[in-house]
Amino acid sequence: DGGITQSPKYLFRKEGQNVTLSCEQNLNHDAMYWYRQDPGQGLRLIYYSQIVNDFQKGDIAEGYSVSREKKESFPLTVTSAQKNPTAFYLCASSIQAGELFFGEGSRLTVL
Amino acid sequence: RKEVEQDPGPFNVPEGATVAFNCTYSNSASQSFFWYRQDCRKEPKLLMSVYSSGNEDGRFTAQLNRASQYISLLIRDSKLSDSATYLCVVMGGYAGTASKLTFGTGTRLQVTL
Repeated sequence: DGGITQSPKYLFRKEGQNVTLSCEQNLNHDAMYWYRQDPGQGLRLIYYSQIVNDFQKGDIAEGYSVSREKKESFPLTVTSAQKNPTAFYLCASSIQAGELFFGEGSRLTVL
Repeated sequence: RKEVEQDPGPFNVPEGATVAFNCTYSNSASQSFFWYRQDCRKEPKLLMSVYSSGNEDGRFTAQLNRASQYISLLIRDSKLSDSATYLCVVMGGYAGTASKLTFGTGTRLQVTL
């Protein structure tokens, strides 16, 4: 079945540690995105990539980094510079602007 | 003023009822509009795009009012399985970022027996 796979689903991290969230898609979509969702707020864009080896910062990129070495993969690293990393992280891909396919999400908790 | 505003609800309605949600947006240059559905602690899923002429998909009807800058979602004959949070998404309207998406915080619907 085609889709987007995120891992891990749940992750606990100590302050000061970097963590990497995996996102893989087999939909053959060029565009991929990382969003963050916090209670009471709309989804906010962290980074996006329209093609391999290229990506752009979204609205809240500080403290995050990404890579896009393969079309299928768009991992997100939450660095220790991110001040408030506890959140629900959603990866998405699209073939048509506005019509996003999301993975099941990764819940990161900083202890 | 928020770029995209939704009443957070919850809207509690009995099965079989008709319910409508509105979503207002502040950028008059916005180009495209969507409704997404998000179940509790799950990922959002595209419900429907909103076309200028309005569109219908089974029990769901979406409408756009550009003059008043809002979109609406009407659900007829509500089912228990319609219980979810409905996210309004607005695209475009910003120079150089035609495909920028802005998400509303969502309206929660609870359908009861």
